[in-house]
Amino acid sequence: KQEVTQIPAALSVPEGENLVLNCSFTDSAIYNLQWFRQDPGKGLTSLLLIQSSQREQTSGRLNASLDKSSGRSTLYIAASQPGDSATYLCAAPANFGNEKLTFGTGTRLTIIP
Amino acid sequence: EAQVTQNPRYLITVTGKKLTVTCSQNMNHEYMSWYRQDPGLGLRQIYYSMNVEVTDKGDVPEGYKVSRKEKRNFPLILESPSPNQTSLYFCASSSGNRETQYFGPGTRLLVL
Repeated sequence: KQEVTQIPAALSVPEGENLVLNCSFTDSAIYNLQWFRQDPGKGLTSLLLIQSSQREQTSGRLNASLDKSSGRSTLYIAASQPGDSATYLCAAPANFGNEKLTFGTGTRLTIIP
Repeated sequence: EAQVTQNPRYLITVTGKKLTVTCSQNMNHEYMSWYRQDPGLGLRQIYYSMNVEVTDKGDVPEGYKVSRKEKRNFPLILESPSPNQTSLYFCASSSGNRETQYFGPGTRLLVL
């Protein structure tokens, strides 16, 4: 059974700094991994989707990497801004061929002005 | 505007009173799913649907039913709600499970 872990559960960083959020998964036979952002009281917004054939995916100040062999993905945020404050979640398929998604419990990020 | 809508957004009910939470998407997506989000447990998938008339259980299907009679709609039915179903519910859709998931705004349910 796929298990997805995100550590730390919470992170506070001064504005302007670069930061890395971590996601680890137990079953490396995945075809993609997704990163989402969730603002308080709101739904999830997809940030990046990395296919298993890719090692990185970039969108603006965000860069996500995927290392299937080690069961890890990272989300890099450059030049952090107060508007980046949110909870970030990663999600991986339960296993190859299974259509379920397994989510991590998220990292709550606070950018300090 | 491409979106997933859910109704109602907030609901307070009593144990045993049947309820339906509607979900609709306007992106012609084949894949739709329901999740519940609970503190400390994260998002857990309740049911998903690969296409019209095709549904399957997720990780926590007990106490829930779904139907997919039309491509755009995927209602979640609680036949006899219980307090342990108090949660924040999200509907999501995508063109396939291997594609980007689009989430609705959530429905906060309180069962007394």
